[in-house]
Amino acid sequence: DAKTTQPNSMESNEEEPVHLPCNHSTISGTDYIHWYRQLPSQGPEYVIHGLTSNVNNRMASLAIAEDRKSSTLILHRATLRDAAVYYCILASNAGNNRKLIWGLGTSLAVNP
Amino acid sequence: DTEVTQTPKHLVMGMTNKKSLKCEQHMGHRAMYWYKQKAKKPPELMFVYSYEKLSINESVPSRFSPECPNSSLLNLHLHALQPEDSALYLCASSQDWVNGYEQYFGPGTRLTVT
Repeated sequence: DAKTTQPNSMESNEEEPVHLPCNHSTISGTDYIHWYRQLPSQGPEYVIHGLTSNVNNRMASLAIAEDRKSSTLILHRATLRDAAVYYCILASNAGNNRKLIWGLGTSLAVNP
Repeated sequence: DTEVTQTPKHLVMGMTNKKSLKCEQHMGHRAMYWYKQKAKKPPELMFVYSYEKLSINESVPSRFSPECPNSSLLNLHLHALQPEDSALYLCASSQDWVNGYEQYFGPGTRLTVT
């Protein structure tokens, strides 16, 4: 079964870029990579997703390795409001057996 | 309106009680989800409804019974729960139950079983 691996925690300074890594070495060709974040006492919030190409949106960028076995979520300028748990998820659709495989999450601390 | 609402926010119930959690969305989404989340853990998928039909049941005990009365509503009926079922229960919806659609989550119901 596919799985995702993330560092347990990371720390950043305000206004600096943050690179959050995720390994998914058993990813299948049709699996999408999603990122969500969860602020304290809230439900998860969608950040970004992609399949093969790098993606940008107003919140973040997603860099996907050429072999798709890893990806990196990039927050270009961290703010205190970005302190959250960031989850890397594989949305798998192998053989009509759809699954959502959540990583354990990276807890991001942002220092003022 | 990109909001998923969940009621109640908090629920305390005894092991012999029957209660229900409710989830609602008005985004026209055709997929709805129930997750269970324990402290400091990622959400665990419990059920997925697609076009009002149960598509996924992740081997959830029968004391949890989902219901999708229409495309906007999702209920989770609870009966004879155990203390270890205490958790945050999250509802989510997405345009469809396929890979590329983002999920919108509600704030959750904090359940305590005594």
